[in-house]
Amino acid sequence: GQNIDQPTEMTATEGAIVQINCTYQTSGFNGLFWYQQHAGEAPTFLSYNVLDGLEEKGRFSSFLSRSKGYSYLLLKELQMKDSASYLCALMDSNYQLIWGAGTKLIIKP
Amino acid sequence: IAGITQAPTSQILAAGRRMTLRCTQDMRHNAMYWYRQDLGLGLRLIHYSNTAGTTGKGEVPDGYSVSRANTDDFPLTLASAVPSQTSVYFCASSADNSGANVLTFGAGSRLTVL
Repeated sequence: GQNIDQPTEMTATEGAIVQINCTYQTSGFNGLFWYQQHAGEAPTFLSYNVLDGLEEKGRFSSFLSRSKGYSYLLLKELQMKDSASYLCALMDSNYQLIWGAGTKLIIKP
Repeated sequence: IAGITQAPTSQILAAGRRMTLRCTQDMRHNAMYWYRQDLGLGLRLIHYSNTAGTTGKGEVPDGYSVSRANTDDFPLTLASAVPSQTSVYFCASSADNSGANVLTFGAGSRLTVL
């Protein structure tokens, strides 16, 4: 079967760095996505990894290790507006997305 | 502004009533999706359409139906609503259903079934 795990909630301080982990089990893999979702709003795309390694995009970076079934989203220089839920999603062998329950990130001043 | 429009934004519905959630996109995307989002759970796919004229069942299709008569519209119908269908419903689209398949989401429709 397929399964995705990510922490339910994390707290970090404005200006700091936070790493949100996502682990998965799957028989087929076509990529891993991260989306950001502010409370009461729609998810918006952050990153896509299909090969091992780190993808950097401004303050946000995403890492993938296919052999370990592991990804993380790294947020640097945290701002209050980064308070949101971060959704990890796996694309399976049928090109369907399997979503994690999301990690609610709380930023404190 | 290109994107996805969902209606209604919010609705309270009596159990047993029929309800259609509307979704329209103007990006000429081939693939469209309906998800429901419930507290503590990941987004769950209800139905999808890879191209106009075709539809498929997702993870939780029971009690829901869809149609895709053209590229732009993808309505979701609850034939006889039940309280367990209380949820936030998101419509999404993507250019196609292949690998780097970035989804664009609508703003969501919050449905309460009493």
